[in-house]
Amino acid sequence: EVQLVESGGGLVQRGGSLRLSCAASGFTFSNYWMSWVRQAPGTGLEWVANIRQDGSEKYYVDSVKGRFTISRDNAKNSLSLQMNSLRAEDTAVYYCAREAIYGGYVDFWGRGTLVTVSS
Amino acid sequence: DIQMTQSPSSLSASVGDRVTITCRASQSIRNYLNWYQQKPGKAPKVLIFGASTLQSGVPSRFSGSGSGTAFTLTISSLQPEDFATYYCQQSYTTTRTFGQGTKVEFK
Repeated sequence: EVQLVESGGGLVQRGGSLRLSCAASGFTFSNYWMSWVRQAPGTGLEWVANIRQDGSEKYYVDSVKGRFTISRDNAKNSLSLQMNSLRAEDTAVYYCAREAIYGGYVDFWGRGTLVTVSS
Repeated sequence: DIQMTQSPSSLSASVGDRVTITCRASQSIRNYLNWYQQKPGKAPKVLIFGASTLQSGVPSRFSGSGSGTAFTLTISSLQPEDFATYYCQQSYTTTRTFGQGTKVEFK
C-alpha cells in the first residue's frame, strides 16, 4: 500500500525556519517525481515545488524561490522541504505528493502537515 | 508561468443535476490537464488526468474534455457524495499550477 507520511509542521515565528519531511513506503520511491503542495486556511491548492527522480532537477513557485529548498534521499525513501525566512502567507497545510510516472498529475497524497507562521 | 482560471468559483445544484465546470489555461497546455476533487479536511484525489482519462475507481458519471486552452469537467448526474471542491491543474510545464477551485454546494 502506498503511504506518504508528512512530519515537521508546527508553529514558528515570522522569519524563522522549519524542515518538513515525508516518509514514503509501498512503492519504488526513486522512480517518481515528488512534489509539495500547500493549502492556506480556507483557500485553494498551491503547487510549491517538485523534484526529479534523481534530484537533478528542482522547480519552485515564484513566491518561495530563494527561501525553500526541496530535496530527497532515495536510500531512505524520504522527501524534505527546508523552509527559511518564513512569512505569514506561508501558513498552510503542506501535502507531500507523488506525481504519476506519465502525465505529471498527483496520484497519491499524504494527509498533510500544518505550518503556522506567527507574526 | 501558466495561469489556470476556473469558472464558476461556486455553484449550487441538486442531486441528479448535470454539472459542468470550466477551466482555461493562459497558453496551450495540449491535453496536460488534470481534475481533482477535495472534501473538507481531506487530501485531494485525482478524478481525471490527460484531460479525459478517468482515474481507476472513479465513477463514470465524471467526464473531462478539451485541449489546448479550454477544458471542462462534467458530472452527468450529481450524487450526494459529489458535493466538494474541484480543482484543475496543468502538468504541461514542470512548474505545475492549479486553478482556484470550484465549490459545488447543495441547492
